[in-house]
Amino acid sequence: AQSVAQPEDQVNVAEGNPLTVKCTYSVSGNPYLFWYVQYPNRGLQFLLKYITGDNLVKGSYGFEAEFNKSQTSFHLKKPSALVSDSALYFCAVRDRGSTLGRLYFGRGTQLTVWP
Amino acid sequence: DADVTQTPRNRITKTGKRIMLECSQTKGHDRMYWYRQDPGLGLRLIYYSFDVKDINKGEISDGYSVSRQAQAKFSLSLESAIPNQTALYFCATSDPKPGLAGLGGYNEQFFGPGTRLTVL
Repeated sequence: AQSVAQPEDQVNVAEGNPLTVKCTYSVSGNPYLFWYVQYPNRGLQFLLKYITGDNLVKGSYGFEAEFNKSQTSFHLKKPSALVSDSALYFCAVRDRGSTLGRLYFGRGTQLTVWP
Repeated sequence: DADVTQTPRNRITKTGKRIMLECSQTKGHDRMYWYRQDPGLGLRLIYYSFDVKDINKGEISDGYSVSRQAQAKFSLSLESAIPNQTALYFCATSDPKPGLAGLGGYNEQFFGPGTRLTVL
C-alpha cells in the first residue's frame, strides 16, 4: 500500500525564519516524491520532485526538500520564509515500479508566515 | 496552470440533479485525472485515464462517471448529486518521460484551477 503522512495540519513561522513542512511516506518499492503548493482559490502548483540521485532537491521559490530513505521522509524546507509563502502544501508519492503512475497525496499542511 | 482549464468554476445545484464538470488541456498529455478535495482529507482520486480508450476507477468512484471525449477532454459526471459530493474538484494531466512508458513515468501532474461544487 502506498500512503503519505503530513503530521502537522498547520505550521506557523515568522517571516525571515527557516521553515520546515514534514512528510513521511510508505511505498512497497522505491519512491518518486513530489511537493505541491495551493494558494487560495487556485489549483495545485508543482514545487519540486525527487526521482533519483542527490538527496537534496531544489525547487521553485527557494524551496528545497531532503529525501531520507532510512526515515522514509521528504521534508520541505526554506531557509528564510516570506509572508507570500503562506499557502496549503501537499506531499505526494508514487511507487517507481508501478505502471499506473498514480500519485498518492497527503492531507496537506497549512503554512502561515506572519510579518 | 492556464494549460488546463475547468468549467464551470463554481456551481450550486440541488440534490438529485445531474451535473457535468468539464476539463480541457492544451498540453498534449495522454494522462488525465479527476480528484476531489475536502478540508482535512487532501486530494482523493476519483477516476483516471491514460489514453482515450483507457478509463480507470480511483479510490472514490462511486456516484461518479467519466467520459474521455478526446485526448484533450475529460469530463466528470455526477448522475444524481447528493450533499456529500460538495467539494472542490480538480482535473490534472501528466505525461511519462520518453523511454519510461512501461513504468508509468514520473512527470509531475499539472492541475486545473478547480471547480467548487455545492450540492444543496
